[in-house]
Amino acid sequence: GQQVMQIPQYQHVQEGEDFTTYCNSSTTLSNIQWYKQRPGGHPVFLIQLVKSGEVKKQKRLTFQFGEAKKNSSLHITATQTTDVGTYFCAGSVTSGGSNYKLTFGKGTLLTVNP
Amino acid sequence: DADVTQTPRNRITKTGKRIMLECSQTKGHDRMYWYRQDPGLGLRLIYYSFDVKDINKGEISDGYSVSRQAQAKFSLSLESAIPNQTALYFCATSLAGLTDTQYFGPGTRLTVL
Repeated sequence: GQQVMQIPQYQHVQEGEDFTTYCNSSTTLSNIQWYKQRPGGHPVFLIQLVKSGEVKKQKRLTFQFGEAKKNSSLHITATQTTDVGTYFCAGSVTSGGSNYKLTFGKGTLLTVNP
Repeated sequence: DADVTQTPRNRITKTGKRIMLECSQTKGHDRMYWYRQDPGLGLRLIYYSFDVKDINKGEISDGYSVSRQAQAKFSLSLESAIPNQTALYFCATSLAGLTDTQYFGPGTRLTVL
């Protein structure tokens, strides 16, 4: 079945350093979503990428969708303590006709040392 | 998201007990979902419902059942709880299908002793 692999599992950085998490799928994705979960909180939607090679930015966050639509990345420039949390990617594929399946990666836990 | 609420927020129960987790939403979405989160395993889909008359199994439905009482309410039941069902459970909604933005509730932390 479809798998969405996310690396690294953990990342600890000093405040001000950059951070990147990567998501790789065994199958071509229809689109990919990114979520952030603060410690003790619930996942919150960040963005959705649909097009091959798409790049989107949200302030210090840059999201990319690979040309083959099998991988994606989230890059944070100059991390801040407010960036702490677990970042999940979620890929969707067609699963018979118009039915889609959404598969979450296991997430990358980011901690930031002030 | 305050538009999606879950009760209880925390629950400790014993092996073999029946337990129900409830989810309500005021977003007006037809699609509702139950996920389970375990440390290091991410989010896994248990059941989903596209409307009141539509219930579908997710990837880990064994040991669980659901009820969609109304557009706004979706309950998850553990008929006979076992320790490996100890986890964080999230309800979510979406406007369209599974590929649409998921709006998660605050979660229910369930411990089965």
